[in-house]
Amino acid sequence: AIQMTQSPSSLSASVGDRITITCRASQAIRNNVAWYQLKPGKAPKLLIYAASNLQSGAPSRFSGRGSARDFTLTISSLQPEDFATYYCLQDYIHPHTFGQGTKLEIK
Amino acid sequence: QAQVEESGGGVVQPGRSLRLSCAASGFTVYSYDMHWVRQAPGKGLEWVADVSHHGGSTNYVDSVKGRFTISRDDSKNTVFLHMNGLIPEDTAVYYCARLYSEGDYFYGMDVWGQGTTVTVSS
Repeated sequence: AIQMTQSPSSLSASVGDRITITCRASQAIRNNVAWYQLKPGKAPKLLIYAASNLQSGAPSRFSGRGSARDFTLTISSLQPEDFATYYCLQDYIHPHTFGQGTKLEIK
Repeated sequence: QAQVEESGGGVVQPGRSLRLSCAASGFTVYSYDMHWVRQAPGKGLEWVADVSHHGGSTNYVDSVKGRFTISRDDSKNTVFLHMNGLIPEDTAVYYCARLYSEGDYFYGMDVWGQGTTVTVSS
């Protein structure tokens, strides 16, 4: 199975900060990466699909980049509602695999 | 508005079976790839299984192969996850999600349910 190595595992930041989360795939996966936000007690929310496409309804401060093995999710200016856990997912080959998650906390 | 709602979770003894349901509304399940994803207590998300809109092919994570079966009932617009031989490691919140794909292009899992909790314990 393809491994998605996500970093950092946790991150403390302040409102207004710019942050970047990284996922590295164990092999090339074209642009087959999506990013999800998860808050306690809520359903996961799709932010980015196909590496760089902003999901309809997701705020424009979220952006994704990458191809082959290296992918990033950037939040340009953190808002209070952005403090959550973020996951990358490769959907290039089965079994699909998530990264380990990045917990974003308020500094 | 497209929605999915999971049901069927509960507390079950090791070795027993359970069937989860994912009822869809606002769209037809046969037009989408339908997925199950789980989150064990204190752990991250884990992709579990999917059924393709194209031909109904199914795929599973290795840890559930041979024990879980995903199926789709188009007449009920519902997807199921049949879980046999449950083990404590299957304890998790199970989410159902839809994904639209065109060939090799995937548009992400854009509609998720609130999840149903499965606890495997003696």
